[in-house]
Amino acid sequence: EVQLVEAGGTLIHRGGALRLSCVGSDSAFGNFGMHWVRQRPGKGLEWVSGITWNSDETGYLASVRGRFSISRDNARNSLYLQMNDLRSEDSALYFCVKSVAAGALVGHFDSWGQGTLVTVSS
Amino acid sequence: QSVLTQPPSVSGAPGQRVTISCTGGYSTFGAGFDVHWYQQHPGTAPKLLIFETDKRPSGVPDRFSGSRSGTSASLAITGVQAEDEADYFCQSYDHTLRSPVFGGGTKLTVL
Repeated sequence: EVQLVEAGGTLIHRGGALRLSCVGSDSAFGNFGMHWVRQRPGKGLEWVSGITWNSDETGYLASVRGRFSISRDNARNSLYLQMNDLRSEDSALYFCVKSVAAGALVGHFDSWGQGTLVTVSS
Repeated sequence: QSVLTQPPSVSGAPGQRVTISCTGGYSTFGAGFDVHWYQQHPGTAPKLLIFETDKRPSGVPDRFSGSRSGTSASLAITGVQAEDEADYFCQSYDHTLRSPVFGGGTKLTVL
């Protein structure tokens, strides 16, 4: 099982920008789709964004499309989420998640990081 | 409001059978996409519990099982134990949204 470690979460003002990162423990990271899933305090899971193994395809939750950008660097076993124009509703714990699928956004998630907390203040 | 609908809470005494439902629509289960289930204990990351409707990852006890019929799916816990008290989320793919989707989650309380 790939171990995933997120970083970059912090307290930030509304309208600000933040870049989250996630590092995988081994090179298997580069063979699979990767996603960001968030969880607001006391709430459920919400898929935010995903990217195929070769960055060929990306997808976004409608409310973040145009503000967030997902990318990856397989040579560094790393996943990123650039978050711009942050809103209070973006405050959440952001999980880095590995899919079992390589080439599409379908499939289930078999590895989860512990999450990094983003708090957007007004 | 989630694309997949789950009951907010269920409960059961130790040893009982508990089921959690997950209702989708024509763009998820109705379009043939699989259902997957995750378990989340407080303060921890979700863990894959059931994938592709009824398959268990290595290490998941066989008291957990999954099923699906039409546009609904279910997670069953046969002989619930105190350690099963957690939140449970179903997940699938939505053909219209072109994205993975989760249910709102169900809190299982073991009485």
